[in-house]
Amino acid sequence: AQTVTQSQPEMSVQEAETVTLSCTYDTSENNYYLFWYKQPPSRQMILVIRQEAYKQQNATENRFSVNFQKAAKSFSLKISDSQLGDTAMYFCAFDNNNDMRFGAGTRLTVKP
Amino acid sequence: SQTIHQWPATLVQPVGSPLSLECTVEGTSNPNLYWYRQAAGRGLQLLFYSVGIGQISSEVPQNLSASRPQDRQFILSSKKLLLSDSGFYLCASSAGARLEQFFGPGTRLTVL
Repeated sequence: AQTVTQSQPEMSVQEAETVTLSCTYDTSENNYYLFWYKQPPSRQMILVIRQEAYKQQNATENRFSVNFQKAAKSFSLKISDSQLGDTAMYFCAFDNNNDMRFGAGTRLTVKP
Repeated sequence: SQTIHQWPATLVQPVGSPLSLECTVEGTSNPNLYWYRQAAGRGLQLLFYSVGIGQISSEVPQNLSASRPQDRQFILSSKKLLLSDSGFYLCASSAGARLEQFFGPGTRLTVL
């Protein structure tokens, strides 16, 4: 079975600084997708970024980028120029054909 | 994009009572639909998913059931609630497997 591990329960970063959230996963599949979702205090889940496993190029969305290391089964999220609105729970997720698995989450606090 | 409606927003029910949570989707046709449960401070656990009317796949054995009576309606039910059913329930929709999932605002269920 697929598992997703986020080893950092909580992190904090100063406003305008850069922070990296870690995620590792375990699977025997070769074709899958990886996601980072954000859950702010409102609890509304929002997609941050998506990576297709067959693509070697790391996905980027404005201030958010990933470091995808397929062989190491690692999928970290880098947030540049952190903003107060980035304060939220961040969940790493793995999807192999409707079998969506989420990590336990990392609570990120951006400090002014 | 898709809009997911869930109700009620909060619910307090006694042990042994029935449950019915409803989710409806706007902005798409023939979506994949999902029910997740999020325990306090934890990640999301996939409970059920559906790829079409009347088609339900269960991910974990439990006290709950799901039904999809219409294309954009997904219902989570229980005949007799347990204390362990307490949690935050999220409905999600996607255009297909491995694609972005859009989440509803969630229902906080407390079983007393």
